[in-house]
Amino acid sequence: DQQVKQNSPSLSVQEGRISILNCDYTNSMFDYFLWYKKYPAEGPTFLISISSIKDKNEDGRFTVFLNKSAKHLSLHIVPSQPGDSAVYFCAARYSGGGADGLTFGKGTHLIIQP
Amino acid sequence: EAGVAQSPRYKIIEKRQSVAFWCNPISGHATLYWYQQILGQGPKLLIQFQNNGVVDDSQLPKDRFSAERLKGVDSTLKIQPAKLEDSAVYLCASSLDRYNSPLHFGNGTRLTVT
Repeated sequence: DQQVKQNSPSLSVQEGRISILNCDYTNSMFDYFLWYKKYPAEGPTFLISISSIKDKNEDGRFTVFLNKSAKHLSLHIVPSQPGDSAVYFCAARYSGGGADGLTFGKGTHLIIQP
Repeated sequence: EAGVAQSPRYKIIEKRQSVAFWCNPISGHATLYWYQQILGQGPKLLIQFQNNGVVDDSQLPKDRFSAERLKGVDSTLKIQPAKLEDSAVYLCASSLDRYNSPLHFGNGTRLTVT
């Protein structure tokens, strides 16, 4: 039972263009969403987050959009740079109960082509 | 600030042996998590501590896995006896609080069970 789904295992984008990574979730109780970036042999690094009371959050080249009715969020990277090549994980949390650890998707491997 | 420290980085053991992993969270972070990441999957929560108390261990295989966080700072995760399917990267993470703070991850311990 996968509560957070990233249906694209990999994505290839040309340098300078926009990268769009998608994530769907099934648990309507989730109220906090995060994106992490992971390089090989390193732990995931926090990128950006969004609370369920918002529909957009922006930080430099990174923007996260949340569509609660569709249970969908996306990460936009503009412009894409070679250093953005990594695995991106979508994660979600429900803060109203005792178990509030993050639930992760399987990840999307983003490859930025020169 | 110093990040989350984990040791060892790599460990190879035979099945039925025991192994222990150590984690030192970011100073001042009250919440500590242990995640298991199997190749090709997203991280899966094993156990969550708030200070030295367990918040959630519902996904911890308690017949073979144990964890403790004495004095609410460092934590150890132990597997005894190990099985082949325990081969994975074990990630420790910490956060300032439980709800609206991102998790900060260490670089993990890669365990291979032969």
